[in-house]
Formats: sequence, structure tokens, C-alpha cells
Amino acid sequence: SQQGEEDPQALSIQEGENATMNCSYKTSINNLQWYRQNSGRGLVHLILIRSNEREKHSGRLRVTLDTSKKSSSLLITASRAADTASYFCATDGPSSNTGKLIFGQGTTLQVKP
Amino acid sequence: DVKVTQSSRYLVKRTGEKVFLECVQDMDHENMFWYRQDPGLGLRLIYFSYDVKMKEKGDIPEGYSVSREKKERFSLILESASTNQTSMYLCASSGAEGSREKLFFGSGTQLSVL
Repeated sequence: SQQGEEDPQALSIQEGENATMNCSYKTSINNLQWYRQNSGRGLVHLILIRSNEREKHSGRLRVTLDTSKKSSSLLITASRAADTASYFCATDGPSSNTGKLIFGQGTTLQVKP
Repeated sequence: DVKVTQSSRYLVKRTGEKVFLECVQDMDHENMFWYRQDPGLGLRLIYFSYDVKMKEKGDIPEGYSVSREKKERFSLILESASTNQTSMYLCASSGAEGSREKLFFGSGTQLSVL
């Protein structure tokens, strides 16, 4: 079962531009996380936002969460070629005591130099 | 530095073979997970374990089994490999003090079943 769905599936921008990716989910959550995956590698955790938070920042990353709409967005500002990767949102669902996460299908970001 | 190590980066097996994928973490995490990743389908949870000798089915457990005899090691077993099990397999762990929800991933094993 896919909890998160991401939009767009693919995004291509020029270096220096901002990139925005969106994630929608279906059930109630305790937190939502964003991960990054370089081609053919494992995923790396970027940022976690809790259900009682609306916005969070980490360096060039800004995440928002709207629990009434069951949606989140990830903004990468002043993108760099090194930001080229796939980005996934993940939610814990209503039962989070085991740490189980459900991932979206991801957004593939290409940043052109 | 935290580490989740998967035993093989690439693996080629024949249909019907028994396949073992090994995963070791050095962070003393309670929780360990096996996902498979396929184009267009994202990551899907196969099995997870929240303690030694404990296991829970994920969303797609059919054709797989797991073993967790020690806290640091979580093995995924394909009892009789089939071509539809060709995929990228990702192991992850969680349970870090102060950040229990965050998953740490291994680099993945690209399995091809011929």
C-alpha cells in the first residue's frame, strides 16, 4: 500500500533555481520524513517534521506540513548540480511504535549546471 | 560514523536457487527492515524486525523469509528465487537515541534472477 504520493514524478531545473516537490498521504501520521537517493545507492535521511509542526528548515531545505490537507512539500533553494537525485517522502502511519515507514514513489530531480 | 552494510552490491542468481541477502548494522539499533525498490513502484516493505528473533510481515512478504539471530544482523532469504524477484533490495535500521524514527540505509543489493 502506498501511503505517500509525490508530485511531480520528475523535475528538471537550472542550477541556482529553486526546486519544489510535493507529497500527499492518506492516513493520520505522527511524523513525515524526506529522504534523498543518489542513483543506484541507498537512501539518506534529510529532514523530519512532526505532525504538530508546520514548517522546518535545514540549510537550503524547507519542509512544510499541512495535516488538514494531508500534504507536505520540500523546497530546495539555490539548487546545485550535486542536488541531482531522487527524493522520497515517508510517513509512519497511525502506528509508529515499530519505526515502520511507508514511502512514496519519489521525485527525480535533475539540476543542470 | 553510523553504518549499515549489505553483503553484496550486485548479485546474479538462477531461477530456483536459494538466495541469502545479509545486512549488518553497527549502531545497536532495535529495528531493522528489508525493502525492495522497483521503477515506478517506489520502496515496498518486505519484512521488518523490532527485536532479536522477532519478525513482522510487511506489504509484500510472499516468496521471502527473514532471520534475526543477533541484534546487529538481519538476513533476507529468497527460498526459491524467481525472475520477478529481480530488484534492488535495501536494508535499513532505526532506533538511534534521540532520533528513533530516522532510518539508516545500506547501499543496496541489485539482484538479478536469470
